[in-house]
Amino acid sequence: GNSVTQMEGPVTLSEEAFLTINCTYTATGYPSLFWYVQYPGEGLQLLLKATKADDKGSNKGFEATYRKETTSFHLEKGSVQVSDSAVYFCALSNTGNQFYFGTGTSLTVIP
Amino acid sequence: NAGVMQNPRHLVRRRGQEARLRCSPMKGHSHVYWYRQLPEEGLKFMVYLQKENIIDESGMPKERFSAEFPKEGPSILRIQQVVRGDSAAYFCASSPPGLAGVETQYFGPGTRLLVL
Repeated sequence: GNSVTQMEGPVTLSEEAFLTINCTYTATGYPSLFWYVQYPGEGLQLLLKATKADDKGSNKGFEATYRKETTSFHLEKGSVQVSDSAVYFCALSNTGNQFYFGTGTSLTVIP
Repeated sequence: NAGVMQNPRHLVRRRGQEARLRCSPMKGHSHVYWYRQLPEEGLKFMVYLQKENIIDESGMPKERFSAEFPKEGPSILRIQQVVRGDSAAYFCASSPPGLAGVETQYFGPGTRLLVL
């Protein structure tokens, strides 16, 4: 079946630190992979995506590379800011309408 | 530019009561999706609706849960005779007509249901 395993949080970093949030997946076929972000009091927003192996999704300084050989889609950012404090969800889609989400990782960035 | 709206944001019910969760899609959107996030788990798909039609309810529990998306008004997720195991965050997403699919889904902030 389809599933996503995501690094447990919470994660606390100092401003300008390097961020990695691990995500691995199990799926049949060739899923699309996503990272969503949820800021306090708001809905989930698409942060970045990748639709095939070796694709790199990037947005707002965040990056993630679709690694089929390791079934991973780790989220990285070189220098986090306080405004990056949020919950991050890794997800995959293997059909037209359904997502399979990880449990979410809460990130707090302190000045 | 109002996004997807859900209300209430927090709902407390006692066992055996009914819970009604509302989702107003983005303006112009005619597809609605409901997801549930149980404690310590990821969001899980429940149901996909278009106006007056249930398209895919493969993720809905067989009993006590129902969903509708009437021609006018918000989509409603209804849980009858709630039990403690229904305590979760319920997220709604919407997408525009003709573009149904995961990449076009816009999410609401969720409703946190607590069953005492």
